[in-house]
Amino acid sequence: DTEVTQTPKHLVMGMTNKKSLKCEQHMGHRAMYWYKQKAKKPPELMFVYSYEKLSINESVPSRFSPECPNSSLLNLHLHALQPEDSALYLCASSQDAGDISTDTQYFGPGTRLTVL
Amino acid sequence: GQQLNQSPQSMFIQEGEDVSMNCTSSSIFNTWLWYKQDPGEGPVLLIALYKAGELTSNGRLTAQFGITRKDSFLNISASIPSDVGIYFCAGPGLDTGNQFYFGTGTSLTVIP
Repeated sequence: DTEVTQTPKHLVMGMTNKKSLKCEQHMGHRAMYWYKQKAKKPPELMFVYSYEKLSINESVPSRFSPECPNSSLLNLHLHALQPEDSALYLCASSQDAGDISTDTQYFGPGTRLTVL
Repeated sequence: GQQLNQSPQSMFIQEGEDVSMNCTSSSIFNTWLWYKQDPGEGPVLLIALYKAGELTSNGRLTAQFGITRKDSFLNISASIPSDVGIYFCAGPGLDTGNQFYFGTGTSLTVIP
């Protein structure tokens, strides 16, 4: 099973709303990732959790707040977003066991976020 | 960081034709990954390569890990309409951390 699930599939929110994106994997992977993707562009890394600890934060604005409650779950809390934050948000996971240069990422289907 | 350049940027081909695209890096990788992404969906892993010189097939897809470890190519034989999408190469960095690097993408259109 190489499945990463994400909910919701679509989300429309106003600039004053607070919402959360959820991601789950049951592959026993120890690294989980949040990416932001604009149309026809490659995914841009936002955050990485390794063994439930935040290991990379790519200078993401504080209106995005990640959380890793356990090794299978990853959340992205959203607050006071801007219209330019509208994008496809992707979650991914990888094994992260020893040699990271041979790690392989598996992606979820994404959440299409629209900020009005 | 490591940069991955893909070419061509886009391709328009007739159904049944073979397709070739490649990915080059300014520095070496130990793993090359090829993903396909449909509009509004997440990237799906097609082929993973772990050894320089390795040639791996997955149905009509064949990918190779370049000997120099700085490039990889993906071939699709006898294209069909469902091959339409954006193809990304990617790989984990050799430096510390969990950084993954993505290519610029090749957009494929198959004309029936």
